Amino acid sequence: ILNVEQSPQSLHVQEGDSTNFTCSFPSSNFYALHWYRWETAKSPEALFVMTLNGDEKKKGRISATLNTKEGYSYLYIKGSQPEDSATYLCASNTGNQFYFGTGTSLTVIP
Amino acid sequence: NAGVTQTPKFQVLKTGQSMTLQCAQDMNHEYMSWYRQDPGMGLRLIHYSVGAGITDQGEVPNGYNVSRSTTEDFPLRLLSAAPSQTSVYFCASSSRGNTEAFFGQGTRLTVV
Repeated sequence: ILNVEQSPQSLHVQEGDSTNFTCSFPSSNFYALHWYRWETAKSPEALFVMTLNGDEKKKGRISATLNTKEGYSYLYIKGSQPEDSATYLCASNTGNQFYFGTGTSLTVIP
Repeated sequence: NAGVTQTPKFQVLKTGQSMTLQCAQDMNHEYMSWYRQDPGMGLRLIHYSVGAGITDQGEVPNGYNVSRSTTEDFPLRLLSAAPSQTSVYFCASSSRGNTEAFFGQGTRLTVV
């Protein structure tokens, strides 16, 4: 069992603020790191899959970085909007199994 | 595209009853898996499969059975439901471990 940790557990920001959260994972046996966006009453939807140390990926105002040597990934949201309110999950994949963190719940206040 | 179809969406069982949660995907994905989501626990892997005829246990397999007779289908069976199995269950599929997973809509199961 891999211990994947996310921080903070929850976050409230004002509309227009930029924010970031952290995913920590064991660096041994690393295969891929996934970020998902999970809105209430819906299913998780993939944001990014990253495999290489130093990877940076971007989708609109959301970006992510990966450090496989020290075992962490950051997710950044620039200029937060109310529609960004969701739980953001990360998962470390060892090839066959996904190990999910407990998520960061983001609330963007208009 | 249908993606991952999971049924039923809601179910109430009595302790000791058995049932099967259905999961089907139409993306020809090799990997399929079942998770349960409990408050404060995140998504925990129950069972997974890397291809037809191959299944393996995840983090919390006790009380659950799976089979993978076809690439498309990956049913989850509760053998004798217990209140501790009250949870929200998600099925997911992916083509490989380093590609994104697609999730079903979830099944909210209550065992009384």
